[in-house]
Amino acid sequence: DAGVTQSPTHLIKTRGQQVTLRCSPKSGHDTVSWYQQALGQGPQFIFQYYEEEERQRGNFPDRFSGHQFPNYSSELNVNALLLGDSALYLCASSRGLAASYEQYFGPGTRLTVT
Amino acid sequence: AQRVTQPEKLLSVFKGAPVELKCNYSYSGSPELFWYVQYSRQRLQLLLRHISRESIKGFTADLNKGETSFHLKKPFAQEEDSAMYYCALRSYNNNDMRFGAGTRLTVKP
Repeated sequence: DAGVTQSPTHLIKTRGQQVTLRCSPKSGHDTVSWYQQALGQGPQFIFQYYEEEERQRGNFPDRFSGHQFPNYSSELNVNALLLGDSALYLCASSRGLAASYEQYFGPGTRLTVT
Repeated sequence: AQRVTQPEKLLSVFKGAPVELKCNYSYSGSPELFWYVQYSRQRLQLLLRHISRESIKGFTADLNKGETSFHLKKPFAQEEDSAMYYCALRSYNNNDMRFGAGTRLTVKP
C-alpha cells in the first residue's frame, strides 16, 4: 500500500489562474481532509469529505472548493489564485469521521503562485 | 475558539539529555490532543494521542486540563529524534483539526 498519494508534487501558477490538486486515500480509507501549510506554520484545516459530501469546513473562502469521487479520491480546486495561496497543500485520509480515527498524511503538493 | 500554541520554534538538546516540547491549548469543550512528527524528507505522521496513553519511541505526553497543556517529554533524547514536532487539537464533535506552528527539535551528539 503506497499510503496517501498526491499529485502533482509541485506546480507553479500565475495570479488569477485556477488550480486542481488530487489526492488518493490510503487503502481502506473513506474520509479525506485537506490542509494548507504556509512556510513556517502548522497545517491549517481547509475541509473534509466523506460520502462525497463536504462535512466540515475551516476558515477558508469559497474560492477553495473540493470534490470526492465514488472511489474516495478527492480534488481540491482553488480559483482566482492569490500570491498568498502559495503553500504546501496536504491531504490526509482516515477510516470514517470519528475524531479518534488516525489521519494518514500524504507528501503534499507545493503550489507557488507568481 | 480552538487554538494551539507551541511557544518554542526551535529547541536544541544534547544526546542523552531530557527533552520537553511545550504545547498549550485553548478550547472550551472536550478536546482530543495529538502530537505529530515530521522527520527530514518524510511525511507528517502521528506520534501519539492523549486517549491512548501510550509511550511511543520513548515519548510520553500527559493532558493537563487544569493548565490546558499537553507537553511532550522524553527522558533521554536520541539523535534520531531530531525532527519537526506539531501539537494538534480536535474536538469529538468537530473534525476541524487545529495544529500549532511546530517546534524544530535538534539533538546534538
